[in-house]
Amino acid sequence: AQSVTQLDSQVPVFEEAPVELRCNYSSSVSVYLFWYVQYPNQGLQLLLKYLSGSTLVKGINGFEAEFNKSQTSFHLRKPSVHISDTAEYFCAVMTLGNAGNMLTFGGGTRLMVKP
Amino acid sequence: NAGVTQTPKFQVLKTGQSMTLQCAQDMNHNSMYWYRQDPGMGLRLIYYSASEGTTDKGEVPNGYNVSRLNKREFSLRLESAAPSQTSVYFCASRMGTGTSYNEQFFGPGTRLTVL
Repeated sequence: AQSVTQLDSQVPVFEEAPVELRCNYSSSVSVYLFWYVQYPNQGLQLLLKYLSGSTLVKGINGFEAEFNKSQTSFHLRKPSVHISDTAEYFCAVMTLGNAGNMLTFGGGTRLMVKP
Repeated sequence: NAGVTQTPKFQVLKTGQSMTLQCAQDMNHNSMYWYRQDPGMGLRLIYYSASEGTTDKGEVPNGYNVSRLNKREFSLRLESAAPSQTSVYFCASRMGTGTSYNEQFFGPGTRLTVL
């Protein structure tokens, strides 16, 4: 079985500052990796994904993440955050060959951008 | 296209009452999913359906039943609600049914409180 750990439940940051949201996973088989964003009172939206190829993945809204296989991490970064980035962010994994494309989610990190 | 829609948006039940959460998608997707979201635990899969007439248990199926009424609709039923089922419920859908990755699209959620 696989699991996902998001090390920070809340991350406060000032507007225009850089941010990193941390995600570590464990799995005995190869995985795909994802970051989702959930704005208040809305469903989840895919921010970016790693399926194969370059370990640096760029997503929407200026976010990027780097897959580090040796450290089993997939941290999310943005060089300069905006107030509108305030949301909850979820890291998720999916094992390759998973017939149902079932996702395992981390507990979430609430990003709070302050003016 | 409306995407994935869920009804109702909010519901309050008393312990022991029953109710059905409705989900519909207009993207001609084959697979549909029900998740629950609890603070600090991310989203956990309750059931999923790879096609009309087929359903499979996810991580937390106890206390729930599902029906894949047709290709568009996937309902979740609580026969005898318990306070532990207080949660936000999300429906999702994706095009594929096999092991190849397809993005899951999420509905806006149903916030359920069981007193």
